[in-house]
Amino acid sequence: NAGVTQTPKFRVLKTGQSMTLLCAQDMNHEYMYWYRQDPGMGLRLIHYSVGEGTTAKGEVPDGYNVSRLKKQNFLLGLESAAPSQTSVYFCASSWTSGSQFFGPGTRLTVL
Amino acid sequence: GENVEQHPSTLSVQEGDSAVIKCTYSDSASNYFPWYKQELGKRPQLIIDIRSNVGEKKDQRIAVTLNKTAKHFSLHITETQPEDSAVYFCAASKASYDKVIFGPGTSLSVIP
Repeated sequence: NAGVTQTPKFRVLKTGQSMTLLCAQDMNHEYMYWYRQDPGMGLRLIHYSVGEGTTAKGEVPDGYNVSRLKKQNFLLGLESAAPSQTSVYFCASSWTSGSQFFGPGTRLTVL
Repeated sequence: GENVEQHPSTLSVQEGDSAVIKCTYSDSASNYFPWYKQELGKRPQLIIDIRSNVGEKKDQRIAVTLNKTAKHFSLHITETQPEDSAVYFCAASKASYDKVIFGPGTSLSVIP
């Protein structure tokens, strides 16, 4: 099992560009999450999903959109990137009663 | 919404000593409290968790205690080793599958 994978691992964008981060899990988990991690801020929840076709806002959803068209995939979109979105992005997934498993992270820099 | 505070932000201990990290939460409805360890450049990984119907849980050198009345919980690491050096995050949620709110983290350094 690959567990939770994220694509890409690194990305550099210019202000105003758009991109999509892909998260995939092969553990048949119902729940998936997107976090951002900034120095000294810990992990902050952006959006999450409790099942295929569902999404919900987390702590810091502004400037991001998500989609969960397939159970195994959770996409995070940035429509118009801003320097404040420079961060490390982690995806995670969990079963209904289990702990969260994290992906390796995506390091995004917005110039 | 839920707010999780964590202290200290940095902690240095000598190898073999114990380390204690304390967290407080604001939402009395929270009942699931996981702890994650993140080594430099790596992903967070769950090391132990506790639910509100349990006051203490142990796993080898790691233990977690929960005081629901005071809304605080703590991580205890005994006989620390250099490989325990990492950032530790506490978290809280209303269910193990619900959105989890993380504390800001504690950077633990174990000095050989």
